[in-house]
Amino acid sequence: TQLLEQSPQFLSIQEGENLTVYCNSSSVFSSLQWYRQEPGEGPVLLVTVVTGGEVKKLKRLTFQFGDARKDSSLHITAAQPGDTGLYLCAGLNTGNQFYFGTGTSLTVIP
Amino acid sequence: DAGVTQSPTHLIKTRGQQVTLRCSPKSGHDTVSWYQQALGQGPQFIFQYYEEEERQRGNFPDRFSGHQFPNYSSELNVNALLLGDSALYLCASSGQGAHGYTFGSGTRLTVV
Repeated sequence: TQLLEQSPQFLSIQEGENLTVYCNSSSVFSSLQWYRQEPGEGPVLLVTVVTGGEVKKLKRLTFQFGDARKDSSLHITAAQPGDTGLYLCAGLNTGNQFYFGTGTSLTVIP
Repeated sequence: DAGVTQSPTHLIKTRGQQVTLRCSPKSGHDTVSWYQQALGQGPQFIFQYYEEEERQRGNFPDRFSGHQFPNYSSELNVNALLLGDSALYLCASSGQGAHGYTFGSGTRLTVV
């Protein structure tokens, strides 16, 4: 059962453009994380959000946790080729286990 | 400080065979989770080990089993391999106070 749906599934943009990735669920999560994964590597943690409505910024990346703690978004400003990768959200369920979203594959074209 | 170490990095097996994958967690971490990841998709939770016991399990058949050793390292065993078991198998470790998981680079299993 896939608890977290990400959209879009694939995204190809030009360098310098902005983009937003969405992570949606019908379930409430106590916390939500965003990871970035490059080919042949494991996912690398970018951020953890815990409080409903929380916004965190990491350089050009802005993460938001929905007020009801059921959804999240990742916004990238002025995308660069180095941002290319698979972006994954993961929600912590009541069993203290992270379940991953379906993933968004981002390609930034120079 | 070594992160999560997985071995082997790549593996080719024949249908019906058995395979064992290994994982050493990050120093200071005591919990190990295993995930299966198909190409371009999010990781699917297989199970989690803590204090040498399986604490949680995802929707995977009994052909998938595991073990955790006193030094917190872990093994994932898959019996009677199917073509559909071909995937990247990721190990992630976590511990008290740790924010999120630290992932290994994975083992790429190909079943032919």
